Amino acid sequence: DTAVSQTPKYLVTQMGNDKSIKCEQNLGHDTMYWYKQDSKKFLKIMFSYNNKELIINETVPNRFSPKSPDKAHLNLHINSLELGDSAVYFCASSQPGSEQFFGPGTRLTVL
Amino acid sequence: GENVEQHPSTLSVQEGDSAVIKCTYSDSASNYFPWYKQELGKRPQLIIDIRSNVGEKKDQRIAVTLNKTAKHFSLHITETQPEDSAVYFCAASDNYGQNFVFGPGTRLSVLP
Repeated sequence: DTAVSQTPKYLVTQMGNDKSIKCEQNLGHDTMYWYKQDSKKFLKIMFSYNNKELIINETVPNRFSPKSPDKAHLNLHINSLELGDSAVYFCASSQPGSEQFFGPGTRLTVL
Repeated sequence: GENVEQHPSTLSVQEGDSAVIKCTYSDSASNYFPWYKQELGKRPQLIIDIRSNVGEKKDQRIAVTLNKTAKHFSLHITETQPEDSAVYFCAASDNYGQNFVFGPGTRLSVLP
């Protein structure tokens, strides 16, 4: 009965590849998010998705694209991976303006 | 947009002492202020939160205070224990959650 789950937990890939990270929440929340946490531990929001409204952090390269097949899922697709994309990516969900529940994180390493 | 600053970036205290972490925010529309704890290799988890209609909230050894006029809020941990060692993040959000911004984090070390 995991609240927010992500797969895979670890992802190691070569530069230039395309990869996806999946996220699912079973909390019935309306809003889902993707965060990038770099080596300095900064938590930067990349996207929030609420009722089919996507809000994009303007600093996120367009190689990153969220895909939501339904309210319980928000996957992250990354094209043409670069070394600087190496980080831990967290998915989260919440009701608007309330506690965010985080997934376990996906550690992405680009070689 | 919202900007959240957090100080100090690192904090070391002796076991049993108190720890205080302070945050400021810029957007007067923000009215939800959560604090998250992230242990090494784990996900951030909520430890306490406060809304703008409340000035202070306590939960055992943890308390949060909010000064909406000055746009700052603080986390207070009393009688610190080694298991309190972690990175703590403050955040600010409006009612719609579309302006949810985290502070840069504070690494707290509780020394035995």
